[in-house]
Amino acid sequence: GQQLNQSPQSMFIQEGEDVSMNCTSSSIFNTWLWYKQDPGEGPVLLIALYKAGELTSNGRLTAQFGITRKDSFLNISASIPSDVGIYFCAGPRPRGNYQLIWGAGTKLIIKP
Amino acid sequence: DGGITQSPKYLFRKEGQNVTLSCEQNLNHDAMYWYRQDPGQGLRLIYYSQIVNDFQKGDIAEGYSVSREKKESFPLTVTSAQKNPTAFYLCASSIRGQTAYEQYFGPGTRLTVT
Repeated sequence: GQQLNQSPQSMFIQEGEDVSMNCTSSSIFNTWLWYKQDPGEGPVLLIALYKAGELTSNGRLTAQFGITRKDSFLNISASIPSDVGIYFCAGPRPRGNYQLIWGAGTKLIIKP
Repeated sequence: DGGITQSPKYLFRKEGQNVTLSCEQNLNHDAMYWYRQDPGQGLRLIYYSQIVNDFQKGDIAEGYSVSREKKESFPLTVTSAQKNPTAFYLCASSIRGQTAYEQYFGPGTRLTVT
């Protein structure tokens, strides 16, 4: 079935580094969503994208809707300890009545 | 403050018992969803409801049941037929219309069955 491929699976970074992650789909999307989940909590919506080529920022986070409409990217600038968590991408399930399909997540870990 | 509440945060049950997880929202959202999350995996849809008194099965509905008698509430029952019920359960809601894909989540309930 429809899947979202999210990479990398995990990232070990130093505080202050910039972070990039991406998500690809086998079919065209008209919406991309990025969420962050802290340990033991529910995911929180970070950014929603609705137009191919769109670049949207939320503080130090920037997400882009790929022009092919089959991918999306999330960048975090100057990472801080509270950025630790799992980042998920999600998109509309084809013919899915407002259901979402989800990537497996990118786990961000800050090196001590 | 508007939001989604799930209770309890942690739940322990013996095998063979049914258990009901609560989900309440005061966001006036029409749609509600239940997901299951296992370690290292993404979210898998159990059931969803677009309007009161109507709900549909998701990808992994076997062993679960729901009801939607009120707009604010969407309880999930994990029955004894669910073979592997230990997991983290997440409830979400969304508004109908242009931003219908933007789902907002509760804090989750961690269920442990022994």
